Amino acid sequence: LAKTTQPISMDSYEGQEVNITCSHNNIATNDYITWYQQFPSQGPRFIIQGYKTKVTNEVASLFIPADRKSSTLSLPRVSLSDTAVYYCLVGDPVYNFNKFYFGSGTKLNVKP
Amino acid sequence: DARVTQTPRHKVTEMGQEVTMRCQPILGHNTVFWYRQTMMQGLELLAYFRNRAPLDDSGMPKDRFSAEMPDATLATLKIQPSEPRDSAVYFCASGLSGLLYIQYFGAGTRLSVL
Repeated sequence: LAKTTQPISMDSYEGQEVNITCSHNNIATNDYITWYQQFPSQGPRFIIQGYKTKVTNEVASLFIPADRKSSTLSLPRVSLSDTAVYYCLVGDPVYNFNKFYFGSGTKLNVKP
Repeated sequence: DARVTQTPRHKVTEMGQEVTMRCQPILGHNTVFWYRQTMMQGLELLAYFRNRAPLDDSGMPKDRFSAEMPDATLATLKIQPSEPRDSAVYFCASGLSGLLYIQYFGAGTRLSVL
């Protein structure tokens, strides 16, 4: 099971770029890296998914080094509304033999 | 805007009563997941269906919990009898096989068992 490790919490200020790193030393060849965002009293929301190098969408960027043992979610110019818990998941998106493990996530607190 | 619909949003019940939670997955999705979230345990997977067949329910207490998909538009999670330790937020999510990690979550059912 490709367990993940993330910081428990992070603080930032509005307008800053935030980088949240996730460690996944036991990632398997077919595993992808997926990030979710959860606001209070809501279900998690898919943000981004990647396999290697860099992926970017309208919400975030995901950086994955060559060894794939870690990944970094980058949120550009955060606002107060980005205050949420961010989860990193690792697993095979087609033949998942691992449980979907959300872990504790990283609680991001954006200050004015 | 397609979304996963869960009912009820809130449920307060007494210990020993049966609780049924319902989920309408996004039309066309063939995978359905049930999760439970508490402050202590975080988000835990309870059950996972593909094409209405249960593929993994190892996270579910078998003696009191049951999950079914009577048809492609309805998934149910039942607790009988309920206990105070079942108090949590229960989320349903749906998606497509082959994209297992891209799941669309409902707003959840907040259950309080007194």
